[in-house]
Amino acid sequence: AQSVSQHNHHVILSEAASLELGCNYSYGGTVNLFWYVQYPGQHLQLLLKYFSGDPLVKGIKGFEAEFIKSKFSFNLRKPSVQWSDTAEYFCAVNAENAGNMLTFGGGTRLMVKP
Amino acid sequence: SAVISQKPSRDICQRGTSLTIQCQVDSQVTMMFWYRQQPGQSLTLIATANQGSEATYESGFVIDKFPISRPNLTFSTLTVSNMSPEDSSIYLCSVEVGTFPLWGYTFGSGTRLTVV
Repeated sequence: AQSVSQHNHHVILSEAASLELGCNYSYGGTVNLFWYVQYPGQHLQLLLKYFSGDPLVKGIKGFEAEFIKSKFSFNLRKPSVQWSDTAEYFCAVNAENAGNMLTFGGGTRLMVKP
Repeated sequence: SAVISQKPSRDICQRGTSLTIQCQVDSQVTMMFWYRQQPGQSLTLIATANQGSEATYESGFVIDKFPISRPNLTFSTLTVSNMSPEDSSIYLCSVEVGTFPLWGYTFGSGTRLTVV
């Protein structure tokens, strides 16, 4: 079965700092990759997703992620974070030919200090 | 994409009782998923529910504890049975929506369950 690892459990940044959140998955076949955000007290929202094509995908709110197949990674980045980016971020993987479900990473709790 | 209405949004229940969570989707969907998010942890898939067939449970989850109904293409329920404090979690339903390149998953707002 596939698994998803997020290396950073808690990240604290100051406003305007750059952000990179790591995500690695274990599955040798074709994958579809997602990053979700959960703001305090709110439900999961999709930030971006990758299916195929250009490995650098851009999402909402200035976020982007790069799929590096050789490293089984899909890291999330943002050049300059804002206080409003304080949230929990989840990487998720759907492995083709392994069911329709999503497998989530453990999540990264980001706090941005004003 | 689909809009999911999940009820109740939160509840506090006595141990030994059961709670049924409802998930209503504003469009017909084939697959619905139920997840659990324990305090401070990530989402874990409980089961996948297709209309007209028995739900498929993930390892560690059993039908007697988490019975699921899927009577039609827009509705599903998850029951948390004989609850204990360890069942205190957020329970979310999710649906698969769209076709490539708009394919993806939408989540309900969750049910925050506290068992006392």
